Amino acid sequence: TQLLEQSPQFLSIQEGENLTVYCNSSSVFSSLQWYRQEPGEGPVLLVTVVTGGEVKKLKRLTFQFGDARKDSSLHITAAQPGDTGLYLCAGASGSARQLTFGSGTQLTVLP
Amino acid sequence: KAGVTQTPRYLIKTRGQQVTLSCSPISGHRSVSWYQQTPGQGLQFLFEYFSETQRNKGNFPGRFSGRQFSNSRSEMNVSTLELGDSALYLCASSLSGHRNEKLFFGSGTQLSVL
Repeated sequence: TQLLEQSPQFLSIQEGENLTVYCNSSSVFSSLQWYRQEPGEGPVLLVTVVTGGEVKKLKRLTFQFGDARKDSSLHITAAQPGDTGLYLCAGASGSARQLTFGSGTQLTVLP
Repeated sequence: KAGVTQTPRYLIKTRGQQVTLSCSPISGHRSVSWYQQTPGQGLQFLFEYFSETQRNKGNFPGRFSGRQFSNSRSEMNVSTLELGDSALYLCASSLSGHRNEKLFFGSGTQLSVL
């Protein structure tokens, strides 16, 4: 069974601070996705990384896929209250069309 | 373009009953996946359908079943409900279900089993 562990589980920071969320596994994934979910809604895809060592930037968000494709990180610069939400990483492996989701990081950005 | 639509939004059932949840994917999407989300277990994969065929199944008991119709709409059924089945059930659609494709999630059906 493949597992994805996210840390931290909860994060509460002030507006303007930087933060990093980690997603780790002992298994290799062919690709990894990051989602953000807000209360009462389904997850919304932020990014997909597919190559070991890949770095993708989306405005103030930077996503990195580990060289061995077993881990990933999400870094947010100058967090804003609008960044508040549940951040989920999800890995895909082989030809499987099912995603293995991490347990999530609940981020709260205080104004 | 309309998003993924799930009905009903909320559902309250009692133990032993059965329930059917519905999902209408984005127009043109042929792959529909179902996930269960609970505070303790997070998001767990239930099954995936493509062109009316179940292609992939997660590790859930046989009480959980689903089907897909020719218009790609999907339903999932849970029989003999247990308290532990209380969860947010999410449906997601994509064009073909390739592992790197963008998944579009619906807002979910919140099921409470009393």
